[in-house]
Amino acid sequence: GQQVMQIPQYQHVQEGEDFTTYCNSSTTLSNIQWYKQRPGGHPVFLIQLVKSGEVKKQKRLTFQFGEAKKNSSLHITATQTTDVGTYFCAGPRSQGNLIFGKGTKLSVKP
Amino acid sequence: NAGVTQTPKFQVLKTGQSMTLQCAQDMNHEYMSWYRQDPGMGLRLIHYSVGAGITDQGEVPNGYNVSRSTTEDFPLRLLSAAPSQTSVYFCASSYGLAGVTDTQYFGPGTRLTVL
Repeated sequence: GQQVMQIPQYQHVQEGEDFTTYCNSSTTLSNIQWYKQRPGGHPVFLIQLVKSGEVKKQKRLTFQFGEAKKNSSLHITATQTTDVGTYFCAGPRSQGNLIFGKGTKLSVKP
Repeated sequence: NAGVTQTPKFQVLKTGQSMTLQCAQDMNHEYMSWYRQDPGMGLRLIHYSVGAGITDQGEVPNGYNVSRSTTEDFPLRLLSAAPSQTSVYFCASSYGLAGVTDTQYFGPGTRLTVL
């Protein structure tokens, strides 16, 4: 069946270091979404990418959608303690709901 | 707007008990869904609804029932709780079909422990 895989599962960084999480789909996606979940919280939508090769930026966060629309990445420049949490990518299923990756848990050491 | 609300926040059940997790949204969203989140497993879809009176199964529907009598409410029923249902449950809603046109808004979650 359709799968969305994320790596790494965990990432520990020193504050100020960069961080990247990668998302790979077993099928071509019409779009990909990214969510952030703070510890003890609920997932919160960050961004949606639709076009092949699309790059979007939100302050220190850079999101990319691959040319083949099967992979995506989230890069955080100069991490801060406020970036701590789990980052999920999600892609659409044919039934009109989302399939989520297992997430990358980011911890930041001050 | 309150957004998506869930009750209770925490619940402890004994094996075999039944209960209903409540979910409500005040954004007039047609699409609602239930996920469970387990460590290392991400978010897995239990059931979803594309509008009042219409529900369908997700990835892990066994042991759960849903109904959608109004646009606002989408309760999740555990028929006979089992320890394997210990998890954090999230309700989510979106205006249109999630992943096709719209993002999902998540509720704060219910942490369920089954002893």
